[in-house]
Amino acid sequence: GNSVTQMEGPVTLSEEAFLTINCTYTATGYPSLFWYVQYPGEGLQLLLKATKADDKGSNKGFEATYRKETTSFHLEKGSVQVSDSAVYFCALSEGLTGGGNKLTFGTGTQLKVEL
Amino acid sequence: DAGVTQSPTHLIKTRGQQVTLRCSPKSGHDTVSWYQQALGQGPQFIFQYYEEEERQRGNFPDRFSGHQFPNYSSELNVNALLLGDSALYLCASSLGGGRGTEAFFGQGTRLTVV
Repeated sequence: GNSVTQMEGPVTLSEEAFLTINCTYTATGYPSLFWYVQYPGEGLQLLLKATKADDKGSNKGFEATYRKETTSFHLEKGSVQVSDSAVYFCALSEGLTGGGNKLTFGTGTQLKVEL
Repeated sequence: DAGVTQSPTHLIKTRGQQVTLRCSPKSGHDTVSWYQQALGQGPQFIFQYYEEEERQRGNFPDRFSGHQFPNYSSELNVNALLLGDSALYLCASSLGGGRGTEAFFGQGTRLTVV
């Protein structure tokens, strides 16, 4: 079956530091890849996505590149802010027989950014 | 645009009871999915509804059932509650369901079973 593996947290960084959160996946087909962010007490928000190999998703200074050869989709940001403190989820989606899709999530990585 | 709304936000139930959670999708969306997120874990897919039919189902027992109404809103029902059903239940809506489709999530319903 499909699965997503993320680096364990929490990750603690100083403001303006460089961020990398590793994500690798296992899929039987050709999935789309997503990063979602969850702020305390809230639901998930889509941060960025990529739908084919070598695509780069980007949003709010975050980037991730779909690497089919290494089955990875690592999240990066050049300079983090305190407001980036949240839990980040890597996810994949495959179309399903009969229509529809489902998201398979990693366990999440908590990011704490300090002044 | 109100986005995806879920009710109630919090709920406490006793073991063995039944519960119904509700979801209104984002305007224009026709597909609703439900996820269970245990504390410290990623969301797990329960099922997806489209055109009032359950289109896909994850690895959850039959105690978990759902419904989609003609206005695309949805309910999640859980019977014979167990302590292990305590979790955040998330509803997500989308337009259609291709593999690249963006899902929009509600804030969730926090269910506590005592």
